[in-house]
Amino acid sequence: GAGVSQSPSNKVTEKGKDVELRCDPISGHTALYWYRQSLGQGLEFLIYFQGNSAPDKSGLPSDRFSAERTGGSVSTLTIQRTQQEDSAVYLCASNKKSGGQETQYFGPGTRLLVL
Amino acid sequence: AQKITQTQPGMFVQEKEAVTLDCTYDTSDPSYGLFWYKQPSSGEMIFLIYQGSYDQQNATEGRYSLNFQKARKSANLVISASQLGDSAMYFCAMREGGAAGNKLTFGGGTRVLVKP
Repeated sequence: GAGVSQSPSNKVTEKGKDVELRCDPISGHTALYWYRQSLGQGLEFLIYFQGNSAPDKSGLPSDRFSAERTGGSVSTLTIQRTQQEDSAVYLCASNKKSGGQETQYFGPGTRLLVL
Repeated sequence: AQKITQTQPGMFVQEKEAVTLDCTYDTSDPSYGLFWYKQPSSGEMIFLIYQGSYDQQNATEGRYSLNFQKARKSANLVISASQLGDSAMYFCAMREGGAAGNKLTFGGGTRVLVKP
């Protein structure tokens, strides 16, 4: 079946502009996560959505970052007034909330470059 | 303190040989899960193997096995019979229970290069 999809694949923007990154999780997966991977680094958690519960925003690095999930499916990560340090790969993952293993499956990522 | 530590930034391995990638973790939660992901140069994160903290046996998935030593808090990945396609970054990750939620905490990764 279809995996997690993300768009755009690549985004180049100018410092100070806003960007929106989109994630389409695997059908039937109720949990959705955003992570950020800076060059040569491991992944850093940003935000987590589970069903209709309030999202866990504990990983968002500043109030310029926000995310929403509409209809329990597609999610949009918005970065306002982008800075050069926001340049990274933004990865989305989803899993089925079932107890136990709950493996997260990742999308291909959006490579963001802020000039 | 680092929750997940991968001490090997990079390593070479000869094709057809086995390689062990180290991972140590730090948690006080009795219920946790450990994951290994592979990230080829294309950038996608590919799930390889999972070990739950209460699992009695070491996890295995094809050529991948996990050497889980709970008392030492280590979860090393063993790749047997290395293939050229195994060249990639490998990340160890942990999911803790309770208030930590479902997020994964990742180590810094180990880059593996398989030589023909």
